[in-house]
This record gives sequence, structure tokens and C-alpha cells, in this order.
Amino acid sequence: SQELEQSPQSLIVQEGKNLTINCTSSKTLYGLYWYKQKYGEGLIFLMMLQKGGEEKSHEKITAKLDEKKQQSSLHITASQPSHAGIYLCGAPNSGGSNYKLTFGKGTLLTVNP
Amino acid sequence: DTGVSQDPRHKITKRGQNVTFRCDPISEHNRLYWYRQTLGQGPEFLTYFQNEAQLEKSRLLSDRFSAERPKGSFSTLEIQRTEQGDSAMYLCASSYLGQPGANVLTFGAGSRLTVL
Repeated sequence: SQELEQSPQSLIVQEGKNLTINCTSSKTLYGLYWYKQKYGEGLIFLMMLQKGGEEKSHEKITAKLDEKKQQSSLHITASQPSHAGIYLCGAPNSGGSNYKLTFGKGTLLTVNP
Repeated sequence: DTGVSQDPRHKITKRGQNVTFRCDPISEHNRLYWYRQTLGQGPEFLTYFQNEAQLEKSRLLSDRFSAERPKGSFSTLEIQRTEQGDSAMYLCASSYLGQPGANVLTFGAGSRLTVL
């Protein structure tokens, strides 16, 4: 079965600093989804990457997909306290029906003002 | 549309009791998923429905767990004879089959179960 490893497990940064979170898959990636979760709450969809080399940005968050490396990265520029939370990557188990996502364990981000 | 709704948000029960969680998906979504998340872990897939048909169940879903989605609308997840190991956040998500090349899951806020 597919496994997604996220690094780092946790991260503490000063407000205004840039940071990167990585997600590495044990198998071929057929797409990669990034979600954010506040403690004790549901997941909020951030971005979806479908093709190797694809890069997407939303506000100060940029995600990239490297299919060859079976890896995705999430980069936050000029972090703010509102960016704090748990970032989760998820990937479909197959390239066909694309119906089920396997998730990593998450990266806990703390942004100190 | 208010998104995916889950009820109750919190449930505390004694070991051996039965509990039921309800999920109301986004109305036009035809796929519905249940996940379980424990502290420090990512969500783990339990089961999913396409309309009213339950198409897959994880090995995590023991015989004490049952999920239904009558008429392809809301879904319920029942846990019988709860055990302390069942304590977790139960997340529901929905999506729309037919969205080209993508399957973005929209999650509810979750139902947190504590078994004493």
C-alpha cells in the first residue's frame, strides 16, 4: 500500500520567515492534494497537483509536484500566524478511479508573532 | 450550501455502548467517505459510497462498524460495543464523481469520540 512521509514532523518559525514542507511517496504519484487542519477540526482543501512539474500558488502558498522523485513540496512565503496549523498531503492510490486518498501524518506548523 | 455537516461534534460514551454519527454531504456530491483520525496521525480511510452503494471498506472497519447511506443522501456510521481503541476523530468527506481529472474531497468538521 502507498505511504506518504512528511517532513519535518513539526516546525516553529518566526513570523515573516519562509518555510518548506515536503511530502514523499513510497509509490508512483497520480496526483497530490494538500490540506490544512486546525487542531480538532476538519481538513481544509488548499491545492491539488496532477502533473509532474506542476506548480500552483494561492496567496503566499506554493506547491510543486516532482513525479520523478515521487515528491511534493509546499512553500510558504513570509509566514503569518494565520498559517499555523497541521498541513497534510494526500494522494490517490491509483491513477484510475482516483477515488480514495491516503494521507501523510501531517506537519505541525507554529508561527510565532 | 453550507458544506459537509457532521453530528454530533463530540461524543463521550462508556465502553460497550453503541454510538452513531451522522454526515450530511454537499447536496450535489455523489461520493461520500468516512475517515478516522487519531492524535498525531493523518486520516485513515474507512469506507466510501457512490450514491447509495458502499463500494469499499477498509480492513480497519471491523464487524462492530457499519455505515449506511440510504437514498444516496446523508450517511450514518455506527459503532457497536465501543472499545477504548475506538476513541478518535471520525471525519466525513464528500466529492463529485465526474469532476474531470480530479476528486477533491470536502471534509466536515469531524465527530470526536471518547470512549471511557
